[in-house]
Amino acid sequence: SQQGEEDPQALSIQEGENATMNCSYKTSINNLQWYRQNSGRGLVHLILIRSNEREKHSGRLRVTLDTSKKSSSLLITASRAADTASYFCATDGSGGYQKVTFGIGTKLQVIP
Amino acid sequence: DTEVTQTPKHLVMGMTNKKSLKCEQHMGHRAMYWYKQKAKKPPELMFVYSYEKLSINESVPSRFSPECPNSSLLNLHLHALQPEDSALYLCASSQIITGNTGELFFGEGSRLTVL
Repeated sequence: SQQGEEDPQALSIQEGENATMNCSYKTSINNLQWYRQNSGRGLVHLILIRSNEREKHSGRLRVTLDTSKKSSSLLITASRAADTASYFCATDGSGGYQKVTFGIGTKLQVIP
Repeated sequence: DTEVTQTPKHLVMGMTNKKSLKCEQHMGHRAMYWYKQKAKKPPELMFVYSYEKLSINESVPSRFSPECPNSSLLNLHLHALQPEDSALYLCASSQIITGNTGELFFGEGSRLTVL
């Protein structure tokens, strides 16, 4: 079964706005990662946050992790049409650190 | 070289055929993964190899047979598949960091259609 559950499942915003996606998970983790997937393509790693970290930044991306609530959020600032994609959180730790399982994902549409 | 290469990109096979999907990476990663992804769903973990040994099998039916002949190659042998096995099959690799998981590098996938 999937570890993570993303919220919302679909998000449509105007270019220039910020997009926030949330992920909740069920069991303890070592790391949480966020990936992006353009339609029908492979996944691209965006950012990894370790269980002892609370916040991480990479360019226009900001990820937070709250292990007490078993949740994470991904913020994309100043969105662009090229950010249109599906975004997945991925967690390990359930059944072994290499068992990386993906949440259901958020489909983001950025309207030019 | 930060690429994971999957072949073929597309595969159509009948239920009695035997075919293989191939995955190659030259990043020195010692963990390799197979995922299956149905349309509008997240990737589902199938198998993990660590140091060329099968470390995780997510109760995948035996009609899927993985093989890791060396540290750069990962195969998925397919036999007697069902139409519901039609999906995008994704290969990934990562470094092995003791007790931790690193970034997964994914290939573009092999889109399989079973008739």
